[in-house]
Amino acid sequence: AQSVTQLGSHVSVSEGALVLLRCNYSSSVPPYLFWYVQYPNQGLQLLLKYTTGATLVKGINGFEAEFKKSETSFHLTKPSAHMSDAAEYFCAVSGTSYDKVIFGPGTSLSVIP
Amino acid sequence: DGGITQSPKYLFRKEGQNVTLSCEQNLNHDAMYWYRQDPGQGLRLIYYSQIVNDFQKGDIAEGYSVSREKKESFPLTVTSAQKNPTAFYLCASSITPGHYEQYFGPGTRLTVT
Repeated sequence: AQSVTQLGSHVSVSEGALVLLRCNYSSSVPPYLFWYVQYPNQGLQLLLKYTTGATLVKGINGFEAEFKKSETSFHLTKPSAHMSDAAEYFCAVSGTSYDKVIFGPGTSLSVIP
Repeated sequence: DGGITQSPKYLFRKEGQNVTLSCEQNLNHDAMYWYRQDPGQGLRLIYYSQIVNDFQKGDIAEGYSVSREKKESFPLTVTSAQKNPTAFYLCASSITPGHYEQYFGPGTRLTVT
């Protein structure tokens, strides 16, 4: 069965510092991978996705993620954190039958001034 | 503007009452989803629909019911059989099921007392 693990339920970084949010997945089929962001009391918004092709994926707001098949990872990074990046981040992987996606438990990012 | 609307934003009900949450999309998407979000548990899939007049149970369907009579509408009924209905409910849609990104509504926060 597909599953997603996000290391660290809460991550704090200083403004201007590197943001690194970890995501590992298990999948019995070639995965499609997603990162979503959620601001308080709002729905989720797609940051970026990996389907096929280039393993380094660029998304909105300066975020990017690299698909590493050998490590079954899809970590999210941003070179310099901004106060507006404070939010909940979810990694997701497509289901076995590609009829749904499986979400990770989420990582709450705090940005310290 | 295309998007997904959920109403109301906040909903309060007495225990033992059924309540229906609205979800409408004008994106012409085939697939629609309902998720439940509780603190620290990420998103859990309640029901999903790949096409009009068809839907499947997700991971936590007990105590919930849905209908998909129109492509643009996917209402969720929280029945009195749901043991712990207080939660944040999110509706989403995608062009087709599975490996395409999902677009989320703003959510409905349901409180049952």
